[in-house]
Amino acid sequence: DAKTTQPPSMDCAEGRAANLPCNHSTISGNEYVYWYRQIHSQGPQYIIHGLKNNETNEMASLIITEDRKSSTLILPHATLRDTAVYYCFLTGTASKLTFGTGTRLQVTL
Amino acid sequence: DTEVTQTPKHLVMGMTNKKSLKCEQHMGHRAMYWYKQKAKKPPELMFVYSYEKLSINESVPSRFSPECPNSSLLNLHLHALQPEDSALYLCASSRQGNQETQYFGPGTRLLVL
Repeated sequence: DAKTTQPPSMDCAEGRAANLPCNHSTISGNEYVYWYRQIHSQGPQYIIHGLKNNETNEMASLIITEDRKSSTLILPHATLRDTAVYYCFLTGTASKLTFGTGTRLQVTL
Repeated sequence: DTEVTQTPKHLVMGMTNKKSLKCEQHMGHRAMYWYKQKAKKPPELMFVYSYEKLSINESVPSRFSPECPNSSLLNLHLHALQPEDSALYLCASSRQGNQETQYFGPGTRLLVL
């Protein structure tokens, strides 16, 4: 089975950029890379997604490597409210919908 | 309205009980999902409904029985569960297919005694 791996935890100082990596070395050509976050065991919240190109929205930026085997979610100015578990997630027309292992981001003062 | 609602928020049931979880969305989405999440683990896909038809069943035991009565509603019927089935059950929906953004409900926290 394809595995999507993430570091289990990261710390970030408030106001600094948080860079969260995801390894998806067996990604297929039609699979999108999505990022969600989950706060206090609430439902996951959509952040951003992309296929090949880098993407930016009001919440974050997504950098996907040229070979698409890894990606990085960037929160440009982390706040305490960004403390959460961040999941990358692969989806495509014929793929199994699989969350990554998740990174617990702790933003500190 | 980008909300997915789930009821109940919490449920405690015995191993001989029959109960149902309910999920509702009014975004006009035609794909709906059930996930199971154990503590400190990522959500795991259980079922996908597309246009009210079951399209994916991830080898889920028959004691879990999904139902999609209409395009806005998704149920998960529970019968003869085991204590290891205790988990957070999450519902999600997306516009048409499973390659699109999913919107998640808050979940139902289930405890099986």
